Amino acid sequence: QSVLTQPPSASDTPGQTVTISCSGSSSNIGTNYVYWYQQLPGTAPKLLIYRNNQRPSGVPDRFSGSKSGTSASLAISGLRSEDEADYYCAAWDDSLSVWVFGGGTKLTVL
Amino acid sequence: QVTLKESGPALVKPTQTLTLTCTFSGFSLSTSGMRVSWIRQPPGKALEWLARIDWDDDKFYSTSLKTRLTISKDTSKNQVVLTMTNMDPVDTATYYCARDLVDGFDYWGQGTLVTVSS
Repeated sequence: QSVLTQPPSASDTPGQTVTISCSGSSSNIGTNYVYWYQQLPGTAPKLLIYRNNQRPSGVPDRFSGSKSGTSASLAISGLRSEDEADYYCAAWDDSLSVWVFGGGTKLTVL
Repeated sequence: QVTLKESGPALVKPTQTLTLTCTFSGFSLSTSGMRVSWIRQPPGKALEWLARIDWDDDKFYSTSLKTRLTISKDTSKNQVVLTMTNMDPVDTATYYCARDLVDGFDYWGQGTLVTVSS
């Protein structure tokens, strides 16, 4: 049972925009930055969004992050087949002094 | 260029102690702000954070696993070692180490699959 809550799956057709939610609490998302990771099949996770809405160099601007209160979202616009992956949110939890992850969302591009 | 690589046994028996080594390059754990975390992923399941060690030797552990985990560093060798005692089949997972900064886990190792079986 993950501390952060994500929908287990999401899907849409190429070119569309999909949004993945991540819900936490005041001790993690409500207080700290949210990070998003993309995990392509059979590979290690890759940092996609840091500090709620910042993109590392090389991440397309089709990926965007936002945060409001104790929830965060990852939006992927102009969906492409290569976006099919598992997406995880993460945040530091001040009460537990641990990193917490969401359960992951499997994105399917139909 | 930052790289990390995990090493350790692929197979351990139940009740044994697992020792994993993360060997990294491109940064130093003696630099202020540097941290390394261990994260694992059981087959087909979600990521689970395990432990973190900071440049100043501060250590943090998963609440549910803290009694079984020990993290340490050898700055001269650019290595971080994680030990997990009393291994169980539910601990079968791919274990990753990652550089852990304020800007997130920005670099990951390729992961090492550890199977717990008699």
